[in-house]
Amino acid sequence: DTAVSQTPKYLVTQMGNDKSIKCEQNLGHDTMYWYKQDSKKFLKIMFSYNNKELIINETVPNRFSPKSPDKAHLNLHINSLELGDSAVYFCASSEAGTSVNEQFFGPGTRLTVL
Amino acid sequence: GQSLEQPSEVTAVEGAIVQINCTYQTSGFYGLSWYQQHDGGAPTFLSYNGLDGLEETGRFSSFLSRSDSYGYLLLQELQMKDSASYFCAVPRGGKLIFGQGTELSVKP
Repeated sequence: DTAVSQTPKYLVTQMGNDKSIKCEQNLGHDTMYWYKQDSKKFLKIMFSYNNKELIINETVPNRFSPKSPDKAHLNLHINSLELGDSAVYFCASSEAGTSVNEQFFGPGTRLTVL
Repeated sequence: GQSLEQPSEVTAVEGAIVQINCTYQTSGFYGLSWYQQHDGGAPTFLSYNGLDGLEETGRFSSFLSRSDSYGYLLLQELQMKDSASYFCAVPRGGKLIFGQGTELSVKP
């Protein structure tokens, strides 16, 4: 059984479009995250949710809007896509609190903006 | 603030031992984690050191010295499948701050 799943795996779109990435975890974790990994493999936190509540928003442009309908799901909607948004986006989850050290990552969504 | 330094690349041969270092400058240090990421794959958790000393998990060990703000990941009996990027990371304010990653190439 997949622990953390994301859809789609690949996303190719034009500048200015709006797109969404979905994430689900079946680990029973309370905390979920979105990361962006650029072409140099730098992995940077974007958002973190704990039990459906936003707890971390790392100076991400407001074109990015996360939504957590329940603690097992965390989606990412991106408006007015720009070339610089091209990256791999990873969803992750962990148990709450001090277990931030051990995170379980989804397979990633490779976003290409043309 | 937080800053982690790792070598960008390391090359070793099959069967050898390799050490990937990580030095950090961070206020409020709470431990050091290591993640492995194969090309095209997801980061996967390898180990966590909350206290000084060596943690061993099979062929992989991780070491931490808080007084030196330094840790390392030790990979023994290298296999071709160990070719990947390795990231050290520190927790800070409910999130992980990752180093830039070390690309390990294992040659036959």
